Amino acid sequence: SQQGEEDPQALSIQEGENATMNCSYKTSINNLQWYRQNSGRGLVHLILIRSNEREKHSGRLRVTLDTSKKSSSLLITASRAADTASYFCATDGRGETSGSRLTFGEGTQLTVNP
Amino acid sequence: DAGVTQSPTHLIKTRGQQVTLRCSPKSGHDTVSWYQQALGQGPQFIFQYYEEEERQRGNFPDRFSGHQFPNYSSELNVNALLLGDSALYLCASSFFYEQFFGPGTRLTVL
Repeated sequence: SQQGEEDPQALSIQEGENATMNCSYKTSINNLQWYRQNSGRGLVHLILIRSNEREKHSGRLRVTLDTSKKSSSLLITASRAADTASYFCATDGRGETSGSRLTFGEGTQLTVNP
Repeated sequence: DAGVTQSPTHLIKTRGQQVTLRCSPKSGHDTVSWYQQALGQGPQFIFQYYEEEERQRGNFPDRFSGHQFPNYSSELNVNALLLGDSALYLCASSFFYEQFFGPGTRLTVL
């Protein structure tokens, strides 16, 4: 079963706009990771945020984590057509060994229109 | 660095057959995990190998088995294939917490 849910399930925006995706999870975690997947291919690792971190940046990506609400958000600024993909959050459970199993949500399908 | 590689890219089998999928981890990574992704869903954890032993297992039947070799590469074997086994099979390697995925093997069972 899935750990949590991404919201929205689908998002369509214009190039240059910002895109925000949310993720909720159910159990305590060590880390939360965000991945991108293009057209049913492999997952590309975007960013990892640890449970004791609240915000992290990488290029045009900004991730926040609120462990009290068991939720995270991924913000992509100044979006490009090449950002069109499915985005997944994945968690590993607190107390698990390093590199432990990841539990994924259902994903958000982002479409960026040129 | 070649990253995580998987073979084959695509595979078509019939019900009842057996299949073996292969994965080579990213250089320096010692842990390999396998995931199954059905169409339109998020990946589901199958199992994980570390030091040639199965360390964790998800909710998959015994028809799914694996192996890790001394060079850290890994195989996923599925016996007695069912139509429902049609999916994208993803391999991920890690050294610590970050898991890096390969391009996947698309398995179609007819």
